[in-house]
Amino acid sequence: DVVLTQTPVSLSVTLGDQASISCRSSQSLEYSDGYTYLEWYLQKPGQSPQLLIYEVSNRFSGVPDRFIGSGSGTDFTLKISRVEPEDLGVYYCFQATHDPYTFGAGTKLELK
Amino acid sequence: QIQLVQSGPELKKPGESVKISCKASGYTFTDYAMHWVKQVPGKGLKWMGWINTYTGKPTYADDFKGRFVFSLEASASTANLQISNLKNEDTANVFCARWGYSSPFAYWGQGTLVTVSS
Repeated sequence: DVVLTQTPVSLSVTLGDQASISCRSSQSLEYSDGYTYLEWYLQKPGQSPQLLIYEVSNRFSGVPDRFIGSGSGTDFTLKISRVEPEDLGVYYCFQATHDPYTFGAGTKLELK
Repeated sequence: QIQLVQSGPELKKPGESVKISCKASGYTFTDYAMHWVKQVPGKGLKWMGWINTYTGKPTYADDFKGRFVFSLEASASTANLQISNLKNEDTANVFCARWGYSSPFAYWGQGTLVTVSS
């Protein structure tokens, strides 16, 4: 199974700071069709996860442009510029290139 | 608007069975696959598998083969998850989530908490 290793496990920030989360895969996530099925989700306390980024760098509808996804192959990053209160929660990367699909263990973004 | 509404919390004893439903609305049910995701309280997300809502064919992750059954009531736009011979380690919040290309898991149910306790 593909293992997604997220770092850091937790991240303490001041509002307005930039935050960066890494997701490293045990295998390349580029599929045979040329697409890379690496997604990012945010789960706020007591809520279902919400889609932020799909296929590495595409923001889902309504997601602010302060969320930026990048990377290729096995190394991926989610950057959040100017963290706002509604950005706090647990971020998960997820791969849908290889069966079984897998989630990273999560990165908790909290206030300093 | 698109919604996935799951059935309510369940309290079960070890060895019993449970059936969780996920009712979809606001789109054509058979156009999008439905996936299931497990979350033990306080822990991370684990993909359980998915069901092709057009053909009814289920696919299970290895840890969810045997006691877990995905099914459909397509006429009711509903996906179901049945878990038999419940164990304490099945205690979790279980989510359904709609898969779409360019919108993977863009829509989630609210989660169903299954508690297994003697």
